[in-house]
Amino acid sequence: EAQVTQNPRYLITVTGKKLTVTCSQNMNHEYMSWYRQDPGLGLRQIYYSMNVEVTDKGDVPEGYKVSRKEKRNFPLILESPSPNQTSLYFCASSLFPTAGVRTDTQYFGPGTRLTVL
Amino acid sequence: AQTVTQSQPEMSVQEAETVTLSCTYDTSESDYYLFWYKQPPSRQMILVIRQEAYKQQNATENRFSVNFQKAAKSFSLKISDSQLGDAAMYFCAYRSYNFNKFYFGSGTKLNVKP
Repeated sequence: EAQVTQNPRYLITVTGKKLTVTCSQNMNHEYMSWYRQDPGLGLRQIYYSMNVEVTDKGDVPEGYKVSRKEKRNFPLILESPSPNQTSLYFCASSLFPTAGVRTDTQYFGPGTRLTVL
Repeated sequence: AQTVTQSQPEMSVQEAETVTLSCTYDTSESDYYLFWYKQPPSRQMILVIRQEAYKQQNATENRFSVNFQKAAKSFSLKISDSQLGDAAMYFCAYRSYNFNKFYFGSGTKLNVKP
């Protein structure tokens, strides 16, 4: 089954304790991305990756790190989490679009609810 | 940076009726993609419909259709014959053609009344 998996699904942690949220896809997608969802703000892009070892900042990258050492995995790292990073996080992946072909549909993971105390 | 605006935080529709959700965006690009995503209470993000900016024809997917007005930078979603399962949060999204960045609106919560 084609899917994007995220772990953990729920996490409660304390300020300053480093954490990693994993993301894995089994569809051989080049493009992967992380978003955070906050009430009234919709989804905001944190980082994205066009392929292995190629990452770039989205709209809200401060306080986050990512890596893309393998095509299927795109972990999100919070080196020193703070309460303002309490949010719902989504990982997504897609192929690259080609003109006129609907190949760029993003597949989203189930989300990770993070609470930083 | 591009911005996407959904001015209706919440809307209600009677079952079997038609409802239109509004979305406007701001961009200086000529090529881009627009999307509507549905997020039910399960929080799963589900693609509803997709529109390429270079296409003048409005996209349709069964009961879902869009009204894409490129000059006005408007991208509304029409849901016909609304069903109880349509109740969800709906997000409008913009993807930059060249830079692969995505921008989402703040969402519209749709209630469907039986």
